[in-house]
Amino acid sequence: AQSVAQPEDQVNVAEGNPLTVKCTYSVSGNPYLFWYVQYPNRGLQFLLKYITGDNLVKGSYGFEAEFNKSQTSFHLKKPSALVSDSALYFCAVSRRGQAAGNKLTFGGGTRVLVKP
Amino acid sequence: SAVISQKPSRDICQRGTSLTIQCQVDSQVTMMFWYRQQPGQSLTLIATANQGSEATYESGFVIDKFPISRPNLTFSTLTVSNMSPEDSSIYLCSVGQGNRDTQYFGPGTRLTVL
Repeated sequence: AQSVAQPEDQVNVAEGNPLTVKCTYSVSGNPYLFWYVQYPNRGLQFLLKYITGDNLVKGSYGFEAEFNKSQTSFHLKKPSALVSDSALYFCAVSRRGQAAGNKLTFGGGTRVLVKP
Repeated sequence: SAVISQKPSRDICQRGTSLTIQCQVDSQVTMMFWYRQQPGQSLTLIATANQGSEATYESGFVIDKFPISRPNLTFSTLTVSNMSPEDSSIYLCSVGQGNRDTQYFGPGTRLTVL
């Protein structure tokens, strides 16, 4: 079985400050890891993914994430947060080599509130 | 990335009725999935929609309650049958091309059951 934990229900940050959203995972074997963002009344938008290679992954809108295998973490970061980054963020994992394709398991989500 | 549309975008339904949600993709895709997002919660995979064969359901979801069709590589439907207020959720379809591929999501269908 695979699982994802996002330990913070909400993260508050001032505009211009660094933003970090935490994610840890559990999966047998090597993982594929994803971050998605959900704005109010909209579907999920893909931000970035880790498949293999460089542990630091850069994605959309200035976001990046670092894969840490020893800590089984994949924290999302942005150096300077914007008010428009306020949204619900989901971390997801799938197991490499799954015969049925990339069935995603999602974390509980973290609400980010960026204050002006 | 593929452009994914869902119909309806939202609906309010009476208890005991059924609603069919459509998911249309603008290009052929290998995999299509259906997820449920209950109010204030995360996404849970309902099933994998298999083209030309029965869907593969996750634990806790059954075909009688959530029948799924996938007649071709660009279209799928999910029916929520004999609805109760507990079925009030956002239902999202997603598509992907393979195990390493990014999964992209439709805009979702917001269902309210009275």
